[in-house]
Amino acid sequence: GDSVTQMEGPVTLSEEAFLTINCTYTATGYPSLFWYVQYPGEGLQLLLKATKADDKGSNKGFEATYRKETTSFHLEKGSVQVSDSAVYFCALTSGSARQLTFGSGTQLTVLP
Amino acid sequence: GAVVSQHPSRVICKSGTSVKIECRSLDFQATTMFWYRQFPKKSLMLMATSNEGSKATYEQGVEKDKFLINHASLTLSTLTVTSAHPEDSSFYICSAREPGQDNQPQHFGDGTRLSIL
Repeated sequence: GDSVTQMEGPVTLSEEAFLTINCTYTATGYPSLFWYVQYPGEGLQLLLKATKADDKGSNKGFEATYRKETTSFHLEKGSVQVSDSAVYFCALTSGSARQLTFGSGTQLTVLP
Repeated sequence: GAVVSQHPSRVICKSGTSVKIECRSLDFQATTMFWYRQFPKKSLMLMATSNEGSKATYEQGVEKDKFLINHASLTLSTLTVTSAHPEDSSFYICSAREPGQDNQPQHFGDGTRLSIL
């Protein structure tokens, strides 16, 4: 079945540091890929998405590129802020059901 | 943009109580909604897919008699945790997707923190 493997956390960075959270996937067909963010005590918010190979999703300074050859969708940000502290989930949809399959989540803490 | 409202945000109740959680799509009609459960420091586990006007589709290992799902209208799905026990304590999140948008992201509610004493 489909699966998402995500870099385990927690990740702790200083403000303005560079962020990379690795995500690789296994899926049949051509999945759509997503990054969701969950702030403490809240539900999930879509951060960015890519629906086909070589697409780059971007939002709020975060970027991720859909790499079919390496089945990856790594999340990056050039300069993190304290307000970026949250849990980040990589996810995909594929197949006829189009259900979301989530990675395990990565806790990011940014220190001032 | 599309908004999903989930209510209540937090429930604390005694063991044996049944608890109902509502999930509403506020500005679109959702023929399909999803219910997830999240354990502390864990990822989201899909519990069931809620289909308007028909029975929900439960994931393997989820007790359908324990977690009753009703999707009576195009904007409302409810999850009822029947005779809840402490092991049912968790964070429950619903999501919905706009019709005809199978490749587009689901919109999530803010979740319900359920604590059974």
